[in-house]
Amino acid sequence: EDQVTQSPEALRLQEGESSSLNCSYTVSGLRGLFWYRQDPGKGPEFLFTLYSAGEEKEKERLKATLTKKESFLHITAPKPEDSATYLCAVQAAAGAGKSTFGDGTTLTVKP
Amino acid sequence: ETGVTQSPTHLIKTRGQQVTLRCSSQSGHNTVSWYQQALGQGPQFIFQYYREEENGRGNFPPRFSGLQFPNYSSELNVNALELDDSALYLCASSTTSGNTGELFFGEGSRLTVL
Repeated sequence: EDQVTQSPEALRLQEGESSSLNCSYTVSGLRGLFWYRQDPGKGPEFLFTLYSAGEEKEKERLKATLTKKESFLHITAPKPEDSATYLCAVQAAAGAGKSTFGDGTTLTVKP
Repeated sequence: ETGVTQSPTHLIKTRGQQVTLRCSSQSGHNTVSWYQQALGQGPQFIFQYYREEENGRGNFPPRFSGLQFPNYSSELNVNALELDDSALYLCASSTTSGNTGELFFGEGSRLTVL
């Protein structure tokens, strides 16, 4: 069974203080690993897709990386507007489109 | 480009009742998935519809059922509601074109079962 574990559960940063969020996964044949951002009371918003170990994607202050067992979401010089819950999900090659999500990391950035 | 829209946004039901949630997929998307998100947890896959057929199902009982219509919109029906069904129900659309797998979510329907 596919599994995704995210850590830490919660992270509090000062504005400008860089850090990383971790996503550990087990899946039978990775089709893709996805990062989403979710604001309170809203649906998740797609950020990145990573397909193979060694791949990296960047968007503004966020950079996602992938190894064979985990992914990191690096946040450089965060701003208060980066505060949200960040969700990691995997799809298996034979998963008929099912995404398995972790429980997320709730990031709070203080000014 | 029109995004994913869901209705209703909030609803309250009592145990044993039935509920229908609705979803319009993003323009150009032919696949709809439904997820249940309990408070403080990640979304859990309920099922996916493609070309009006169920195309994968998670660990949910048969009282969770769905439909997809020719215009790719979808419904989620839950019968015999239980207290544990209280959650945010998320609809996500995607496209098989390009087969990239990312999901585009609506804002969700918040169901409270009393």
